Amino acid sequence: GDSVTQMEGPVTLSEEAFLTINCTYTATGYPSLFWYVQYPGEGLQLLLKATKADDKGSNKGFEATYRKETTSFHLEKGSVQVSDSAVYFCALSDSGGGADGLTFGKGTHLIIQP
Amino acid sequence: DAGVIQSPRHEVTEMGQEVTLRCKPISGHDYLFWYRQTMMRGLELLIYFNNNVPIDDSGMPEDRFSAKMPNASFSTLKIQPSEPRDSAVYFCASSPREPLWAGELFFGEGSRLTVL
Repeated sequence: GDSVTQMEGPVTLSEEAFLTINCTYTATGYPSLFWYVQYPGEGLQLLLKATKADDKGSNKGFEATYRKETTSFHLEKGSVQVSDSAVYFCALSDSGGGADGLTFGKGTHLIIQP
Repeated sequence: DAGVIQSPRHEVTEMGQEVTLRCKPISGHDYLFWYRQTMMRGLELLIYFNNNVPIDDSGMPEDRFSAKMPNASFSTLKIQPSEPRDSAVYFCASSPREPLWAGELFFGEGSRLTVL
């Protein structure tokens, strides 16, 4: 079945540091890939997405490129802020047909220190 | 604009009691999903509905769990009887269109359940 693997947290960085959160996936079809973010006490919200190979999703300074050859969708940001502290989830939606929701990774807790 | 509304936000109950979690999706959204979040297992899809009809309930852990959507603006997730291992945050999410292509689910703030 489909699965998403992302790096374990917590990841602790200083403000203005470069961020990479790794994500790899296994899917039978040609999935769309997503990053969701969960701020403390809130539900998840979509951060960015890419629907086909080599697409780059971007939002709020975050970027991720859909790499089919390495089955990866790593999240990056050049200079993180304290307000980026949250849990980040990588997810996929398989194109096998039918709307069956998203398969999520376990989440990576990011802590940004001033 | 109102988002997905869940209630209660927090529930503490004793083992064996019935628990009912409620969700009001965003108006006009055709799809509704129930997820469970735990530290050990992460986010798990329990069940989803399309136009009030349950489409896939293969993620429902066992017969103690049931979900209904009597109309387009309301859904419930019921656990009877509850057990300590059911302690988790339960999220409801809705989507306005074929989520396979859009991929954007709109999540509520979750219901944190603690079963003692």
